[in-house]
Amino acid sequence: GQSLEQPSEVTAVEGAIVQINCTYQTSGFYGLSWYQQHDGGAPTFLSYNALDGLEETGRFSSFLSRSDSYGYLLLQELQMKDSASYFCAVERDKLSFGAGTTVTVRA
Amino acid sequence: DTGVSQNPRHKITKRGQNVTFRCDPISEHNRLYWYRQTLGQGPEFLTYFQNEAQLEKSRLLSDRFSAERPKGSFSTLEIQRTEQGDSAMYLCASSLRDRETFGSGTRLTVV
Repeated sequence: GQSLEQPSEVTAVEGAIVQINCTYQTSGFYGLSWYQQHDGGAPTFLSYNALDGLEETGRFSSFLSRSDSYGYLLLQELQMKDSASYFCAVERDKLSFGAGTTVTVRA
Repeated sequence: DTGVSQNPRHKITKRGQNVTFRCDPISEHNRLYWYRQTLGQGPEFLTYFQNEAQLEKSRLLSDRFSAERPKGSFSTLEIQRTEQGDSAMYLCASSLRDRETFGSGTRLTVV
């Protein structure tokens, strides 16, 4: 099965950089995904790593190291609208999610 | 493309009643997933379909839960004899080859 751990909360100021770490124990997966979810909203896809290394999509970047069973999501130039929950998820036919990290951006 | 649509958005039911939720996926997507999410947790996988075939069911899906996708388009999730522990957000997602696109969910409250 899959078990993913990520910090429960992170607080930062506008314009800052936040890194959300995700460690996992899994028997095998295709890739590591990151989703954003605002209160009451649908989870929205942010980034995906099939291979080790860094993937950059605008202000968001994601990293995967399979040998370390570790990944992270990097949020740059934080904006107030980035206040949300962020989930890492391993993908193998379906998604297995971590418990999520609540990011609070302060002015 | 209007995204993944779920109905109803909210459902309040008395314990012991049956409820049914509907999901309309993105039209060309052949895979459809159901997840359940409780407060402060990530979505938990329940089941998924490829076209009309139900390919996998989680152990979370007790005998009281049943899902169908009869024509490979929309899907329904039925919960029989609801219990208070069934209170959660039920999320539907669909995909073709790429990442899953989620609907906004149906929030179920069992009183």
